[in-house]
Amino acid sequence: NAGVTQTPKFRVLKTGQSMTLLCAQDMNHEYMYWYRQDPGMGLRLIHYSVGEGTTAKGEVPDGYNVSRLKKQNFLLGLESAAPSQTSVYFCASSSILLAGDPYEQYFGPGTRLTVT
Amino acid sequence: RKEVEQDPGPFNVPEGATVAFNCTYSNSASQSFFWYRQDCRKEPKLLMSVYSSGNEDGRFTAQLNRASQYISLLIRDSKLSDSATYLCVVTHYNQGGKLIFGQGTELSVKP
Repeated sequence: NAGVTQTPKFRVLKTGQSMTLLCAQDMNHEYMYWYRQDPGMGLRLIHYSVGEGTTAKGEVPDGYNVSRLKKQNFLLGLESAAPSQTSVYFCASSSILLAGDPYEQYFGPGTRLTVT
Repeated sequence: RKEVEQDPGPFNVPEGATVAFNCTYSNSASQSFFWYRQDCRKEPKLLMSVYSSGNEDGRFTAQLNRASQYISLLIRDSKLSDSATYLCVVTHYNQGGKLIFGQGTELSVKP
């Protein structure tokens, strides 16, 4: 049981290049999320998905696209990378949030992306 | 104004000290509350949920004051291994489980 895994762990891009970050979870979770973390800013939600084939925008979606073709995978794409997208990217997954039930989001180890 | 605000610290305390972190949230519709812990360059992990009646887990006590929109975390008898960043987190039902994070409070426990 690997939990939440992310690929790659590190990446350096040049401005204008594209890439895809892969998140995979083996806990049969319905919900998946992509966050970015910058110094002094905390974690900010980029996009999320409440089920296979569905995606929605979070707080900072511009410059990113996502897809959830399979329940266990959530892909984050950067079409034309910019230096402002230099950050640490975390993927997370969770079961459905229900009132009164325990709730936890499980995070992957992160991807450290530098755009030069 | 950020939806969830914390004192960023850092808090530098000796081993054995008691330390308290405070957090305020602005959205009165917030319904679930948590403290996450994040070690340097690692992913956040759930430390504890926060319930209206207050709850305790060993050396950790969490309190919630809905009227004041205030959450706290108390750590007693601090250990070196408690050194980390503590994240205050809120969410709302029917929002796809989206978590709203504070910027985190850094704790450093010294020998």
